[in-house]
Amino acid sequence: AQSVTQPDIHITVSEGASLELRCNYSYGATPYLFWYVQSPGQGLQLLLKYFSGDTLVQGIKGFEAEFKRSQSSFNLRKPSVHWSDAAEYFCAVGPTTGYSSASKIIFGSGTRLSIRP
Amino acid sequence: DTGVSQDPRHKITKRGQNVTFRCDPISEHNRLYWYRQTLGQGPEFLTYFQNEAQLEKSRLLSDRFSAERPKGSFSTLEIQRTEQGDSAMYLCASSLGDYQETQYFGPGTRLLVL
Repeated sequence: AQSVTQPDIHITVSEGASLELRCNYSYGATPYLFWYVQSPGQGLQLLLKYFSGDTLVQGIKGFEAEFKRSQSSFNLRKPSVHWSDAAEYFCAVGPTTGYSSASKIIFGSGTRLSIRP
Repeated sequence: DTGVSQDPRHKITKRGQNVTFRCDPISEHNRLYWYRQTLGQGPEFLTYFQNEAQLEKSRLLSDRFSAERPKGSFSTLEIQRTEQGDSAMYLCASSLGDYQETQYFGPGTRLLVL
């Protein structure tokens, strides 16, 4: 069955420190991979996505993620976090989609990021 | 604002009452999705529409739940005879439905059933 695992429920990092959020997926075919961020009271905002090609993907707000097929991972990174990065981060996987298929995204349970001043 | 909008943002209701939520997708997006998110969890797929046709429903969508998208634009999600277990955030997303589509989410409707 398709699934996404985010092993860290809660992470605290100091402002200015680097960040890596882990994501592992289980999917039978080549997946589409996403990272979304959710701030309190806000909807999900897409940070970045991977469909194919270069395995290092750049996103908004200085985030990047690397797809590693051999490890079934798609970890999110940021070299220097800001207090405004405190939020819930969700990794998600979707199937290859065509015009007749739906991209039913499967989300992980999320990692809550806190920033230490 | 050209993003996905949802109304209301918050809803408190008593057990047994019916509630209806509305979602307005990004214009020209032909796919519309509903998800449910409970505390401490990621969103779970409920159903989706391709234009006005409801093409897939999750097992999570019991017969107390019904969704419509009558003209292929906005959508409504109705829950009849609400139960405390229905308390959750209900998220709507829309997409162009093209190859390698990206779903864009609204702010959600938070439902509390007392």
